[in-house]
Amino acid sequence: DTAVSQTPKYLVTQMGNDKSIKCEQNLGHDTMYWYKQDSKKFLKIMFSYNNKELIINETVPNRFSPKSPDKAHLNLHINSLELGDSAVYFCASSQYRDRGWGNSPLHFGNGTRLTVT
Amino acid sequence: KQEVTQIPAALSVPEGENLVLNCSFTDSAIYNLQWFRQDPGKGLTSLLLIQSSQREQTSGRLNASLDKSSGRSTLYIAASQPGDSATYLCAVAEREYGNKLVFGAGTILRVKS
Repeated sequence: DTAVSQTPKYLVTQMGNDKSIKCEQNLGHDTMYWYKQDSKKFLKIMFSYNNKELIINETVPNRFSPKSPDKAHLNLHINSLELGDSAVYFCASSQYRDRGWGNSPLHFGNGTRLTVT
Repeated sequence: KQEVTQIPAALSVPEGENLVLNCSFTDSAIYNLQWFRQDPGKGLTSLLLIQSSQREQTSGRLNASLDKSSGRSTLYIAASQPGDSATYLCAVAEREYGNKLVFGAGTILRVKS
């Protein structure tokens, strides 16, 4: 069984469109993340939710809006897509334990490759 | 601002060799350091996590060390195999709240049979 699953795996769309990426984890974790991997392969955090509460919100255009309906799901909606949004988007999860995340590794999904034409 | 650098950017070795991947970070105030493996078209797989109070962690043929004061970590792979070919990423947890990771660019490893 896949621990962190993202859909779709590939997404090709035109500039100006609105699209969503869905993520679900079955690990029982209470913290979920969105990371972006650009063409140079650098991974950067975008958002993090803990028990449906937004706890990390990096400098990301407000066209990107995360939504967490419950602690097992974290979706990413992108409005008015631009060419520069083309990247691989990874969802991840970890568990808050022992009063922190210090000993909790991240578990990643397989990524969604977004191509904006 | 935390920056993570990995050296070398790419490495090609014959099967059976022991090898070392290097990671350095600019701010020693980290909460943990994590090593990941990424296969083409796949997500990241967690290999080892070293908490800030620890010096090293071992899993099978992998051993990772951490020297916070000098801002360095090494990943040692013993008796490398073709199946070890992948990109290896180092990341440091920049703050406790939220386990925010700052990643290096990775080392592309190729093990030749």
